[in-house]
Amino acid sequence: SAVISQKPSRDICQRGTSLTIQCQVDSQVTMMFWYRQQPGQSLTLIATANQGSEATYESGFVIDKFPISRPNLTFSTLTVSNMSPEDSSIYLCSVETGRNTEAFFGQGTRLTVV
Amino acid sequence: QKEVEQDPGPLSVPEGAIVSLNCTYSNSAFQYFMWYRQYSRKGPELLMYTYSSGNKEDGRFTAQVDKSSKYISLFIRDSQPSDSATYLCAMSGTGFQKLVFGTGTRLLVSP
Repeated sequence: SAVISQKPSRDICQRGTSLTIQCQVDSQVTMMFWYRQQPGQSLTLIATANQGSEATYESGFVIDKFPISRPNLTFSTLTVSNMSPEDSSIYLCSVETGRNTEAFFGQGTRLTVV
Repeated sequence: QKEVEQDPGPLSVPEGAIVSLNCTYSNSAFQYFMWYRQYSRKGPELLMYTYSSGNKEDGRFTAQVDKSSKYISLFIRDSQPSDSATYLCAMSGTGFQKLVFGTGTRLLVSP
């Protein structure tokens, strides 16, 4: 299994600012992902965080808006840039340990943009 | 049209009832079918998954996949108040690496 710690757990931010969310895993993992859960919407994959290289973004998500870092096999950050109220959402980090038997999720970061 | 459709509920049942949760999907490439449970203000946790078609049972939970109809179900027997949560179906063509989720069904089990 994998234990994931996300920080912050929640935040209220002013529009136009940026917020960086951290994801720390208690063991080395192969794959790390960032998802968004908007109110009333399904969990949606933003990108795959690649260790040592640029993240791979899903359709509708761009690096300028959601820059991602992954400096090692246990840590990743997601930045939500130039925020607007539409970015109010829960952002979740997820990992897959390489056995392809489970994806684990952090508890999420609840972001409100005012 | 969304790739995965799921009735958002809420679904309210009395304790001991049998609960049926369902999802439909449109992408024939999906091979992995998962059910996650999410309690309020927590991340989703995996309940069970099935590869390709068929049934899988784990205690009070049974997952069914009908690929011909593009329809999956989760049955909960003898439901308990502790089962009250949001249940998310998820699917993928590549295992657990890129999951496509339904919107989730909120389940309320009353004592």
